[in-house]
Amino acid sequence: EDQVTQSPEALRLQEGESSSLNCSYTVSGLRGLFWYRQDPGKGPEFLFTLYSAGEEKEKERLKATLTKKESFLHITAPKPEDSATYLCAVLPSGGYNKLIFGAGTRLAVHP
Amino acid sequence: GAGVSQTPSNKVTEKGKYVELRCDPISGHTALYWYRQSLGQGPEFLIYFQGTGAADDSGLPNDRFFAVRPEGSVSTLKIQRTERGDSAVYLCASSSPSGGDRKQFFGPGTRLTVL
Repeated sequence: EDQVTQSPEALRLQEGESSSLNCSYTVSGLRGLFWYRQDPGKGPEFLFTLYSAGEEKEKERLKATLTKKESFLHITAPKPEDSATYLCAVLPSGGYNKLIFGAGTRLAVHP
Repeated sequence: GAGVSQTPSNKVTEKGKYVELRCDPISGHTALYWYRQSLGQGPEFLIYFQGTGAADDSGLPNDRFFAVRPEGSVSTLKIQRTERGDSAVYLCASSSPSGGDRKQFFGPGTRLTVL
């Protein structure tokens, strides 16, 4: 069964304190792994797509990496505006385009 | 143009009533998806449309749930005989057929509360 597990469930950081969020997955073939950001009361906002092990992508203070079994979202020197829930999702191969999401990591960055 | 829009933003109904939730995708996006998100959880897939047809409805929880997309643009999710367990945020997403990165763009969601 295709499954996505994110850890930790919640993370509290001081401004400037770098850290990483983990996304572990089991899937019958991977067409893509996605990271989204979700603010309270809003829909998920696309951040990155990763396709194969070893791939990395960066955007401002965020960097996403991918291995055969997990992905990491590294946050360097976070700011309070980075506070949000970060969702990881996989797109399995062999089927249609349904994303399978993890439960997310709630990140709070304090000044 | 604009992003994915959903109406209403909030819907409160009573147990047993019928509700309709509307999604207007990004112009030109032929793929449309419905997801449901419960508090503290990630979105859960319900149904996927390619054009006017439902290509995958494996996520619909039971026959009280139905969705249509008659002209290949706007979609309506219909829930009959609502139950308290149907309370959740219903998210709609769309994607472009030429989008090589396969990313889905989400709307703001409709928060459904069944009393």
